[in-house]
Amino acid sequence: DTEVTQTPKHLVMGMTNKKSLKCEQHMGHRAMYWYKQKAKKPPELMFVYSYEKLSINESVPSRFSPECPNSSLLNLHLHALQPEDSALYLCASSQDEKKRTYEQYFGPGTRLTVT
Amino acid sequence: QKEVEQNSGPLSVPEGAIASLNCTYSDRGSQSFFWYRQYSGKSPELIMFIYSNGDKEDGRFTAQLNKASQYVSLLIRDSQPSDSATYLCAVNGGKTSYDKVIFGPGTSLSVIP
Repeated sequence: DTEVTQTPKHLVMGMTNKKSLKCEQHMGHRAMYWYKQKAKKPPELMFVYSYEKLSINESVPSRFSPECPNSSLLNLHLHALQPEDSALYLCASSQDEKKRTYEQYFGPGTRLTVT
Repeated sequence: QKEVEQNSGPLSVPEGAIASLNCTYSDRGSQSFFWYRQYSGKSPELIMFIYSNGDKEDGRFTAQLNKASQYVSLLIRDSQPSDSATYLCAVNGGKTSYDKVIFGPGTSLSVIP
């Protein structure tokens, strides 16, 4: 099973709202990722958690706040977003240390619109 | 120099032909190489991964890796209209470690019936 789930599928929020995106994987992967993707562009890395600790923050504005409650869950808390933050937000996981594999699998994404 | 580059598209091939997608990378220490297919409005789907020099075949797909030339390719045999999508090359390992996967800009493929 290579499934990564994300909720919600779509989200519309105002610039003063607070919302959260959720991601879950049950593949035993040790690394989880948040990406942002704009139309006709490749995924743009935002954050990486490795063993539930933040290992990479690609200079993302503080209005995006990641959280990794446990090895299977990843959240992205959103606050005071701007219209230019509207994009497809993708969660991914990778790195099965028992199998020594490094393939990265994506969830279906959350389509975010900021009004 | 961009870290991962792909041949510029869009690439158009007739149905039944072989589609050839190319990718070069700058970090000589890169260890893992991936090809993703992405349909418009959908998330990337991993279709091939390769870790060692040479060819790897899976159905109609063949990935080829040449670490000395820092080159990885994807061949799609008997192309079908359903193969029309954007193909993303990605690499990790090397100086960026396995925690970071670097994507190329993608190549748009159109298979003409």
